[in-house]
Amino acid sequence: QVQLQESGPGLVKPSQTLSLTCTVSGGSMSSNNYYWNWIRQPAGKGLEWIGRMSTSGSTNYNPSLKSRVTISVDTSKNQFSLNLSSVAAADTALYYCARGTPTTGLTDYWGQGTLVTVSS
Amino acid sequence: DIVMTQSPDSLAVSLGERATINCKSSQSVLNSSNNNNNLGWYQQKPGQPPKLLIYWASIRESGVPDRFSGSGSGTDFTLTISSLQAEDVAVYYCQQYYTTPHTFGQGTNLEI
Repeated sequence: QVQLQESGPGLVKPSQTLSLTCTVSGGSMSSNNYYWNWIRQPAGKGLEWIGRMSTSGSTNYNPSLKSRVTISVDTSKNQFSLNLSSVAAADTALYYCARGTPTTGLTDYWGQGTLVTVSS
Repeated sequence: DIVMTQSPDSLAVSLGERATINCKSSQSVLNSSNNNNNLGWYQQKPGQPPKLLIYWASIRESGVPDRFSGSGSGTDFTLTISSLQAEDVAVYYCQQYYTTPHTFGQGTNLEI
């Protein structure tokens, strides 16, 4: 059973960089051409797709965040990461990592989410 | 970006009755290469991450009860719960995966 777990600081100051890591267990990240996604959800609101990276290294980012987002994958550690620069209060949200299937890209396994608050 | 619009925003249905949630995309999500609609449905219960229910607009994910069904094509889609159970109380989201960004609808809050 594949499991994903987010980790990282729960509090980030405005203008700084938010950095999160997702650790994948129960399977190798490099065993198939999966997509490794980040999705966020402000409290009480809907879901926003941030972006993804495939095992082969291709990336897709939400244009609304593209200038500030970097997603990277480290298959040797079975981890992938999110960096979001120049954060503001509007970036406060529950951040999820999730695996996308090779055929559809839809996310079938999700982490429990980690709350990141942007505040001084 | 493709804009996904769900209706209604909130829905109250009696136990055992049918629940219907609609999702409309701002452009067609029909994949002409395989004639499938790139549309999925998720269920999110309080304090939990979303759970994938349906993909290709009408294919149930493994383990999803058959009271859940999806239909539609092109720009208009529907999620139907044929006989509402107490454990179906949740927020439901549609998502298109026709093109990135993979946009979600705003969610429909389903209550008893």
